[in-house]
Amino acid sequence: QSALTQPASVSGSPGQSMTISCTGTSSDVGRYNYVSWYQQRPGKAPKLMIYDVSNRPSGVSNRFSGSKSGNTASLTISGLQAEDEAYYYCSSYTSRSTLWVFGGGTKLTVL
Amino acid sequence: DVQLVESGGGLVQPGGSLRLSCAASGFNFRGSYLHWVRQAPGKGLVWVSRIMRGGSDTNYADSVKGRFTISRDNAKNTVYLQMNSLRAEDTAVYYCVRDGGNYNFDYWGQGTLVTVSS
Repeated sequence: QSALTQPASVSGSPGQSMTISCTGTSSDVGRYNYVSWYQQRPGKAPKLMIYDVSNRPSGVSNRFSGSKSGNTASLTISGLQAEDEAYYYCSSYTSRSTLWVFGGGTKLTVL
Repeated sequence: DVQLVESGGGLVQPGGSLRLSCAASGFNFRGSYLHWVRQAPGKGLVWVSRIMRGGSDTNYADSVKGRFTISRDNAKNTVYLQMNSLRAEDTAVYYCVRDGGNYNFDYWGQGTLVTVSS
């Protein structure tokens, strides 16, 4: 069981917006603004999409955005495209001895 | 370009040992923190370990503490993960990852598969 809770799967049509949630606790998501999001396509390494809750690395489309409220962080993808189909993982720094935790991952299907 | 290339994975029996290597290039290796993150087949990502710049400061996930040791050779731009007392549940792809400087993981290697089985 992963430390952060994500929906197992979400789906949407091209052009729609989709939001993926990531729920933690007051020891991780709720305590620090160090939430990041990763995209992983089959057979590939993860790619950083969002860091520090809402910042995008250079080269990442502005269709990707992040936010946080309390113990829950969210990744929103606007204008869904076929190329967005992938697994998405959230991660947070924590105050526990295991310093970083991930969510179980969400499979995004673009219909 | 930032490159992280892992090697050393393979099949090992329960209780055995393995050392993973990660050769880095394209960035200031000496000034960077490095991590290992693993992913069991069909499962999610799990943080394993971090090493800071000088190599003396290290951190581990509870699940590997006392069995795994992370180290680095700044002269060779290489980070290592020595894995002892391996268990079936350690079976995973192990990724070498650069710390983005803000508690995130900004560049990932392609991973190396470790299989623990008799």
